[in-house]
Amino acid sequence: GAGVSQTPSNKVTEKGKYVELRCDPISGHTALYWYRQSLGQGPEFLIYFQGTGAADDSGLPNDRFFAVRPEGSVSTLKIQRTERGDSAVYLCASSLTSGPYGYTFGSGTRLTVV
Amino acid sequence: GENVEQHPSTLSVQEGDSAVIKCTYSDSASNYFPWYKQELGKGPQLIIDIRSNVGEKKDQRIAVTLNKTAKHFSLHITETQPEDSAVYFCAAPPALGNTPLVFGKGTRLSVIA
Repeated sequence: GAGVSQTPSNKVTEKGKYVELRCDPISGHTALYWYRQSLGQGPEFLIYFQGTGAADDSGLPNDRFFAVRPEGSVSTLKIQRTERGDSAVYLCASSLTSGPYGYTFGSGTRLTVV
Repeated sequence: GENVEQHPSTLSVQEGDSAVIKCTYSDSASNYFPWYKQELGKGPQLIIDIRSNVGEKKDQRIAVTLNKTAKHFSLHITETQPEDSAVYFCAAPPALGNTPLVFGKGTRLSVIA
């Protein structure tokens, strides 16, 4: 597609529930990144994929967070047993290859845990 | 790992004036320094970047300067316009692996007409 698409744009869930956030990267981009942005803060790295594999998951805060990219395109960020502190905007970016250049971000999913 | 600090956190300028936002980074081997602009409800968008082999880069009303010795880089916006109002983020990669980008906490720029 023309840009990075993230769905849903907004998600409200109850504490303790499971959520999935989807990212459709730009076609042909092999690298995909997940970041989390809390109010008034910069994007904080969670995980990145090169192709189908997670090249670096050091930013995932705990084992409730997991992400997959089974076919090297669409990625899903999964959060189990959500907590109120998980409320944030989850941003996805893709780039043609791994490295710091040319990140294109989606508009994000605003997750609210009530 | 890389640590990026950005200031000021908020900045208000009169339309037509200049705005300067500064960032420092910790990893002396970092070699690429982008700036992103984030408008309300949207993701960050790359507006300009600089590599470590140059000291300044300009693109119309925006410019970025880099001082590798001091490990800081700055965004300069001249002749500011209301549509420049947004949150601006600097970023830098870790020297080891060069990925992923580490972002500053952002500067909210308000251009007052």
